[in-house]
Amino acid sequence: GEDVEQSLFLSVREGDSSVINCTYTDSSSTYLYWYKQEPGAGLQLLTYIFSNMDMKQDQRLTVLLNKKDKHLSLRIADTQTGDSAIYFCAEGVSGGYNKLIFGAGTRLAVHP
Amino acid sequence: DAGVIQSPRHEVTEMGQEVTLRCKPISGHNSLFWYRQTMMRGLELLIYFNNNVPIDDSGMPEDRFSAKMPNASFSTLKIQPSEPRDSAVYFCASTQGAETQYFGPGTRLLVL
Repeated sequence: GEDVEQSLFLSVREGDSSVINCTYTDSSSTYLYWYKQEPGAGLQLLTYIFSNMDMKQDQRLTVLLNKKDKHLSLRIADTQTGDSAIYFCAEGVSGGYNKLIFGAGTRLAVHP
Repeated sequence: DAGVIQSPRHEVTEMGQEVTLRCKPISGHNSLFWYRQTMMRGLELLIYFNNNVPIDDSGMPEDRFSAKMPNASFSTLKIQPSEPRDSAVYFCASTQGAETQYFGPGTRLLVL
């Protein structure tokens, strides 16, 4: 079945780059997503990438997709304390509608 | 745009009581999703509606859970009777077609 895996925790120093990694299983996924969840809040869409792309950049965010290895990464440049949150990777799987399968989330802690 | 609206934001109830969670999707969106988030199981899709019709309810845990969407601007998720293991954060999300899902702030349910 579909499965999305990501590391559970990442700690970085303020100003450094953060890289959050994710692997997925459904090779037919059309879109892959990164969502951010701050404490006590819902999930906020950060960015997404179409499966025929290998990179997408949006300001401080860079998404890299290795479709062969089914590996997705999110790089946050110049990480700030406000970036501290849980980051979820999700794959959109086929089956009649855009069903999302989420990873367990990576908790990013940014320290001075 | 008000975003997805959920109520109540917090609910504390006793085992055996009926719980009703409410969701107002973004205007114009024709798809609505209910998710449950727990530490143990992460984010799980409970049910998906398209044009007010339940399409995929394979994630509904058991008969104690039911969901309705009487019109395009309102959906409910009901648990009757509630049990302590139902304690979780319940999210509603909406989308137009196969586009990105937008999440509400969630309802934090605690069943004592």
